[in-house]
Amino acid sequence: GQNIDQPTEMTATEGAIVQINCTYQTSGFNGLFWYQQHAGEAPTFLSYNVLDGLEEKGRFSSFLSRSKGYSYLLLKELQMKDSASYLCAHGQNFVFGPGTRLSVLP
Amino acid sequence: EPEVTQTPSHQVTQMGQEVILRCVPISNHLYFYWYRQILGQKVEFLVSFYNNEISEKSEIFDDQFSVERPDGSNFTLKIRSTKLEDSAMYFCASSEIQEQFFGPGTRLTVL
Repeated sequence: GQNIDQPTEMTATEGAIVQINCTYQTSGFNGLFWYQQHAGEAPTFLSYNVLDGLEEKGRFSSFLSRSKGYSYLLLKELQMKDSASYLCAHGQNFVFGPGTRLSVLP
Repeated sequence: EPEVTQTPSHQVTQMGQEVILRCVPISNHLYFYWYRQILGQKVEFLVSFYNNEISEKSEIFDDQFSVERPDGSNFTLKIRSTKLEDSAMYFCASSEIQEQFFGPGTRLTVL
């Protein structure tokens, strides 16, 4: 079967750095996605990793280790607007994790 | 900026009725998807569509569901006989390669 785990909630302070972890088990591999979802809105694409290592895109970076079944999303210079749910999703049958609700405090 | 659109934004139906949810993907995209999200729960994949046929589907996508691309722009999801548990937000998405662009969703309420 396929399973994705993420922390349910995280809290951080404006201007800080936060790392959201994701672990997965799957029978195959077709990349790992990260999405941002504000309450009541559709998910928006943040990143896609298919090879091991770190992919940097502005304030957001995503890391993948296929051998460990592990990924993280790193958010730097946090802003209030970053308060949202962050969804890890596996490219094998597009299985989504439960999401991590991030609250950024002033 | 091109975007995925979905209609209607809200749909209320009686149990057992058929509903059709409509989506207009971004015009040069080749891959289309339907997802659903029950209130307070995770996003669930339903089906992906490429080259005028289903490429993948989940266990949720049973015989009650079907998808169509009736013309060059629309992509529809039909639920033949709705159940109470079909109440959810339904998102359409499209992609050129990997980056999926989601539509705003249709909130389906089955009474």
